[in-house]
Amino acid sequence: KNEVEQSPQNLTAQEGEFITINCSYSVGISALHWLQQHPGGGIVSLFMLSSGKKKHGRLIATINIQEKHSSLHITASHPRDSAVYICAVRRASGGSNYKLTFGKGTLLTVNP
Amino acid sequence: DGGITQSPKYLFRKEGQNVTLSCEQNLNHDAMYWYRQDPGQGLRLIYYSQIVNDFQKGDIAEGYSVSREKKESFPLTVTSAQKNPTAFYLCASSMRGQVTGELFFGEGSRLTVL
Repeated sequence: KNEVEQSPQNLTAQEGEFITINCSYSVGISALHWLQQHPGGGIVSLFMLSSGKKKHGRLIATINIQEKHSSLHITASHPRDSAVYICAVRRASGGSNYKLTFGKGTLLTVNP
Repeated sequence: DGGITQSPKYLFRKEGQNVTLSCEQNLNHDAMYWYRQDPGQGLRLIYYSQIVNDFQKGDIAEGYSVSREKKESFPLTVTSAQKNPTAFYLCASSMRGQVTGELFFGEGSRLTVL
């Protein structure tokens, strides 16, 4: 079993819909990252969380440390939100504080 | 503008050849990383460097080499010993010592072995 699991793998939505992408992990962590990968391949960091909730524009990220689960929500989705969304975790103990374990990503397609 | 520049964006290589991928950052970040991305898999760490003249192997370092002679540069060489080098390679950096440790990525380099 992978240490970081994302669901769903693929998600298709209509413009305007509310979207949720989930990330579950099995190790103790010090931080969780949500990343967005554009169709061209470049990756942008959306959020880094260690507790609670963060909001940036139409994007909201939450994390529940006890349940080892995080969600990324997109409100009023738009075709330009179409991308791969990647969850990554930084382990809480041992080794470098900078090594991340990545999920396989969720491919989101928003149709007009 | 500050950021990370990777080159080339696309690269074709014949079997048995070494190739070097360039990664330059002007963010004044101490830490730099190389990741490999294959279809259907999460990013995997090849090498990372937290300071000039020092670097550590990641999870899949075999067949790769790096150098860190300057703070802003972290080139990756894919050697002929790498058995399956066709992949998408991403370079990233972060400010060492910050609690946040947010990662900044380049646009990636796609290597195809012919």
